[in-house]
Amino acid sequence: EIVMTQSPATLSVSPGERATLSCRASQSVGSNLAWYQQKPGQTPRLLIYSASTRATGIPARFSGSGSGTEFTLTISSLQTEDFADYYCQQYNNWPQTFGPGTKVDIK
Amino acid sequence: QVQLVESGGGLVKPGGSLRLSCAASGFTFNDYYMSWIRQAPGKGLEWVSYISSSGSFIYYADSVKGRFTISRDNAKNSLCLQMNNLRVEDTAVYHCARDPGRGYNYGFIDYWGQGTLVTVSS
Repeated sequence: EIVMTQSPATLSVSPGERATLSCRASQSVGSNLAWYQQKPGQTPRLLIYSASTRATGIPARFSGSGSGTEFTLTISSLQTEDFADYYCQQYNNWPQTFGPGTKVDIK
Repeated sequence: QVQLVESGGGLVKPGGSLRLSCAASGFTFNDYYMSWIRQAPGKGLEWVSYISSSGSFIYYADSVKGRFTISRDNAKNSLCLQMNNLRVEDTAVYHCARDPGRGYNYGFIDYWGQGTLVTVSS
């Protein structure tokens, strides 16, 4: 099973600032990496797939990069609605596995 | 619009059984791979199982293999998860979820149901 790790566990950011979230895979997953946003009481929302492709309706301030084992989600200018938990997920191998998440909260 | 509505959760003793159902609407159900994904309270996400659009291909996480059975009825636009020999560690919200590939498994999820809570406790 591919183990996904995310850092940091919590990221405190002021509105308008840039947030950079990291995700690492225990072995190469190519570009088969997705990012989700989850707010309290809500289901996850797909942000990014294929490591860098924004899902339908996702604002341009969200961008993904990386390949192999190292990936990054960048939120260029945090809006108040962006404070949430963020999960990465690999889909190169079964079982598809999620990282433990990064909580982005207000500084 | 796409809707996925789960039912069947509840409180069950260790060793017991539950059957979860998911009613799908707003899309051509028999075109899509479907999955069950769970989230323990305050924890992260775990993929439990997925089933191909025709039902021919099925995968299970090692943690549930031999105890859980996924199935689908394309005529009724429904997805099920039969859970037997439940353990305390199976306690979670179980989400029905859709893969965006039509007839193909991309491997990620574009729509999630709100989930149904399964609590395994004596």
